[in-house]
Amino acid sequence: EAGVAQSPRYKIIEKRQSVAFWCNPISGHATLYWYQQILGQGPKLLIQFQNNGVVDDSQLPKDRFSAERLKGVDSTLKIQPAKLEDSAVYLCASRILRGGPIYNEQFFGPGTRLTVL
Amino acid sequence: GENVEQHPSTLSVQEGDSAVIKCTYSDSASNYFPWYKQELGKGPQLIIDIRSNVGEKKDQRIAVTLNKTAKHFSLHITETQPEDSAVYFCAAKGSQGNLIFGKGTKLSVKP
Repeated sequence: EAGVAQSPRYKIIEKRQSVAFWCNPISGHATLYWYQQILGQGPKLLIQFQNNGVVDDSQLPKDRFSAERLKGVDSTLKIQPAKLEDSAVYLCASRILRGGPIYNEQFFGPGTRLTVL
Repeated sequence: GENVEQHPSTLSVQEGDSAVIKCTYSDSASNYFPWYKQELGKGPQLIIDIRSNVGEKKDQRIAVTLNKTAKHFSLHITETQPEDSAVYFCAAKGSQGNLIFGKGTKLSVKP
């Protein structure tokens, strides 16, 4: 079974520029998460989708961050304009909607490391 | 808000010794507590989890204990090996089904 795919793996941009990250979850996983992981800290949830609807975006800085999951499969996370403090690893995770012993488990992708100069 | 505290932040042990990492959570409604291992340049990977209706769970050299009353849960790794060296995160399930993570413990196992 293929895991969660993310691209690009690394991105370096200047502050005030824009950047977009892509995530392809595990096939059949209805729930998709974007997390921000600052160096030396645990992942922090930015947004949660169920199919193509937003379940929780309370911690998403909506003045600069946006995310979409138009067809309920792939998702993109965008930052516009980027700030120095956005330097972090952006992790995508997916989870099956219901059923079976792995219902709670979130499967993470390798992440995209963003450096804002 | 919901919060998870994790200790210690770094832990160094000799190969073959045991390692214990402890976490506390704030939301008494949390009912699912996973532990993730993150190696350099990779995403977190689930190593063991426990639900609130169970006090202890074991999988080979790894065990997790949960004290719901005290809102504590712990990871125990026995007979540590160099390949156990990584950052370990505890987490608790939040009210929206999301995970609230601790800040991580960097475990170093010296040969």
